[in-house]
Amino acid sequence: DAGITQSPRHKVTETGTPVTLRCHQTENHRYMYWYRQDPGHGLRLIHYSYGVKDTDKGEVSDGYSVSRSKTEDFLLTLESATSSQTSVYFCAISDMGGSSGANVLTFGAGSRLTVL
Amino acid sequence: QKEVEQNSGPLSVPEGAIASLNCTYSDRGSQSFFWYRQYSGKSPELIMFIYSNGDKEDGRFTAQLNKASQYVSLLIRDSQPSDSATYLCAVNLYFGNQFYFGTGTSLTVIP
Repeated sequence: DAGITQSPRHKVTETGTPVTLRCHQTENHRYMYWYRQDPGHGLRLIHYSYGVKDTDKGEVSDGYSVSRSKTEDFLLTLESATSSQTSVYFCAISDMGGSSGANVLTFGAGSRLTVL
Repeated sequence: QKEVEQNSGPLSVPEGAIASLNCTYSDRGSQSFFWYRQYSGKSPELIMFIYSNGDKEDGRFTAQLNKASQYVSLLIRDSQPSDSATYLCAVNLYFGNQFYFGTGTSLTVIP
């Protein structure tokens, strides 16, 4: 998965507990993204980052926060998990027009989260 | 109105046939267009991208873009059972940071 590692890959938790998903990249790409994927909704952007400490909201950011203290790490936190946050979460990176000549997204393997 | 619309399918084609997948988008500011393939339980992987009107070919895959009509399509020639997957269309606005995805079209290639 092109130097992108997500952890944990699977997690089961209870409603109301905090959860942190980690995305680690070795590509030195500037842009990092968190998406969630649900049946019937496709991939929806939660938050993205355009540099260390620079983040912005996506279309489904409520209930999520992110942090990026190093280029290679992008953390997604659910402060108090709810059942509606049961989903598959994908981290993605892009090189914003680098060697490919286009702003191409590359995805990590995904993290499956179940909130009971 | 969704940014990106795809027919969810399922689409079934016999092995060796041409599979045609279509996608429409709403924002005329869309600049780059992507096709991803996603096998069940796996992450999306890029097949190809296109940003100029016309056709772009890569092996058995051809992407077609028509900005005036706001649609992009993917043709898969000589379809193989290994092509059975969900195909996601995505657009990038103004060569910027955000990508919008369709819900995907499920393709089954029947041996």
